[in-house]
Amino acid sequence: AQTVTQSQPEMSVQEAETVTLSCTYDTSESNYYLFWYKQPPSRQMILVIRQEAYKQQNATENRFSVNFQKAAKSFSLKISDSQLGDTAMYFCAFDVAGGTSYGKLTFGQGTILTVHP
Amino acid sequence: DTEVTQTPKHLVMGMTNKKSLKCEQHMGHRAMYWYKQKAKKPPELMFVYSYEKLSINESVPSRFSPECPNSSLLNLHLHALQPEDSALYLCASSQEGRGGGEQFFGPGTRLTVL
Repeated sequence: AQTVTQSQPEMSVQEAETVTLSCTYDTSESNYYLFWYKQPPSRQMILVIRQEAYKQQNATENRFSVNFQKAAKSFSLKISDSQLGDTAMYFCAFDVAGGTSYGKLTFGQGTILTVHP
Repeated sequence: DTEVTQTPKHLVMGMTNKKSLKCEQHMGHRAMYWYKQKAKKPPELMFVYSYEKLSINESVPSRFSPECPNSSLLNLHLHALQPEDSALYLCASSQEGRGGGEQFFGPGTRLTVL
C-alpha cells in the first residue's frame, strides 16, 4: 500500500513571492505517477502538475514546478510569483502506473495555502 | 468541452428519503469516479467505473448505489442515509481507467442528511 504525507497543514505567502509545499510518499512500486491537485474555495479540484516517476526531469507548468527526489521519495511543489488566485487547498497524490490501478489516487492530507496581498 | 457537471449543487434529505446524484461528462472519457469529501480533508474514493463496468468499490455501505447508464453519465443513488454521510460528493472522469491519467473533477454536490 502507498502512503502520502503532507506535513504542512497550512501555509501563507505574500503576493509575488515564492512558496514551496512539501510532500513525501512511501511505496514499493517502481513505476508510478505523482500529482499536485489544487482545490480553490469554490471547491472544483484541478490538476496543477504531474510527474512520471521514470522521468528524471522535474515537471514544470508556468509558475508551478516540482522538485522530485525519487530516492528520498520527496515531491515538493514550488509556486513562483504567487497570485491571489493561488489561494486554495493543495493535495499531493500518488497513482500506480498501468491498468490495474484504475486511476485510484492516494491523496495526502492537504495543505491550505493563503496568498496575502 | 473539458467540463464535468454535477446536479444538484445542494441536496438536503431526511434519513428515510431516496435521492440521486447525477454526473455527466462529454469528453469521451471511459473512466468515472465517485468521491466523498469532508471539510478540509482529502477526497475518499468510493467507486470507479471503467468502460461502464464497476471496477472498484471501496467497501462502501449499500445505502450508496452507483449506476453508469452510459459512458457519459454516472449516477449515485442514495437511500436511508445517516447524518454522518453529510459531505461534498465529487464526481471525476479520466480518459481511461489507467494509472497516471489526469482526473477532471466536477464542482460537487453538497449533501446534508437530517
